Amino acid sequence: AQKITQTQPGMFVQEKEAVTLDCTYDTSDPSYGLFWYKQPSSGEMIFLIYQGSYDQQNATEGRYSLNFQKARKSANLVISASQLGDSAMYFCAMREVSNDYKLSFGAGTTVTVRA
Amino acid sequence: DVKVTQSSRYLVKRTGEKVFLECVQDMDHENMFWYRQDPGLGLRLIYFSYDVKMKEKGDIPEGYSVSREKKERFSLILESASTNQTSMYLCASSAGQGLNTEAFFGQGTRLTVV
Repeated sequence: AQKITQTQPGMFVQEKEAVTLDCTYDTSDPSYGLFWYKQPSSGEMIFLIYQGSYDQQNATEGRYSLNFQKARKSANLVISASQLGDSAMYFCAMREVSNDYKLSFGAGTTVTVRA
Repeated sequence: DVKVTQSSRYLVKRTGEKVFLECVQDMDHENMFWYRQDPGLGLRLIYFSYDVKMKEKGDIPEGYSVSREKKERFSLILESASTNQTSMYLCASSAGQGLNTEAFFGQGTRLTVV
């Protein structure tokens, strides 16, 4: 069964607007971690933001914020004030104790920012 | 600046060849990983290692093997390359065991098997 589901293969967003990337996950562990990574066309994976399952507040890092809804098993990434340099593929990932702390990734969402 | 370096950005190999993909990290990390990335499938774990000379199968180990003789180096081996192994390969490393441990990735190797 898929542990991480990203249902949006591709999205377009206008420069300076906000965009929300969906991520749902499946785990029975009480304790787990959720990550978002960015992959530009150059190929390297860039860590963006982390949310722990017991964190009381939603994680934020600059223009990135994570909308964490634990009961819905949802961890959506919000990018505010989109820039042309945000055009990339974005991956949601999860780490679980029961999976030996390995990272499981979703299929990714390609974001294209239009000027 | 932390670094994970993969030996090649692009490789073209023939069917049946033995292929070595090399990965080196300079962060003294215990953990190293090999993923393959395919459109619509995301990243899938091939093999990982939590210590020197230690290796564990990931989700899709068939057709691959690995070697970790030194802490900083983790090699992925395609014993007899096949066209269905054409893919992007990503190496990663991380320190310790923790839910919030960040994984650092190399720039990827795009392998084409013809």
